[in-house]
Amino acid sequence: DAMVIQNPRYQVTQFGKPVTLSCSQTLNHNVMYWYQQKSSQAPKLLFHYYDKDFNNEADTPDNFQSRRPNTSFCFLDIRSPGLGDAAMYLCATSRDGGFTDTQYFGPGTRLTVL
Amino acid sequence: AQSVTQLDSQVPVFEEAPVELRCNYSSSVSVYLFWYVQYPNQGLQLLLKYLSGSTLVKGINGFEAEFNKSQTSFHLRKPSVHISDTAEYFCAVSGYYSSASKIIFGSGTRLSIRP
Repeated sequence: DAMVIQNPRYQVTQFGKPVTLSCSQTLNHNVMYWYQQKSSQAPKLLFHYYDKDFNNEADTPDNFQSRRPNTSFCFLDIRSPGLGDAAMYLCATSRDGGFTDTQYFGPGTRLTVL
Repeated sequence: AQSVTQLDSQVPVFEEAPVELRCNYSSSVSVYLFWYVQYPNQGLQLLLKYLSGSTLVKGINGFEAEFNKSQTSFHLRKPSVHISDTAEYFCAVSGYYSSASKIIFGSGTRLSIRP
């Protein structure tokens, strides 16, 4: 089945230690999104790629970076995680990023910062 | 600018009872509305979406929603819930952003089913 895969499902890191979260998709979608979701809150969009075109949200901290080396893979890098960065990180894709497009979500990576 | 309000943060319901989860939106442009469901420790999954045409939209798992333009609402309903419907439900509206649209989510409604 075509899907969005996130690895690892659970990630523990230390305060200030860089961490990378991975997302891959077999849907061949043009757009990939990264969301941060804290407990009992709505997902918050961090940034998205339309193909190789990177689009950052205005309020995304510089501490968060992303890479998309090819259509299938997208990475979220947190350069110096703080305690406030502990959250679920969701990757999503959509075919063309149109208004009517459905977004397909991965299962998420739960990040713990010690 | 678009925004979404989910009036109830939590809705407890007995099994086999009907449920309605409320959603109101504001938008100055054409509206595309979505309901997503998030089961515990999982990503979000589309339940249904309204694009145009019939105001009553049927989705997966027996859910349906009605688009009401005059009341700017898109409430989600199910006539008889099951334990497996326990989840967080997010109403969302599609908005415009540079190269691709983005989804603006409501704050979510946690549906808990009691046996």
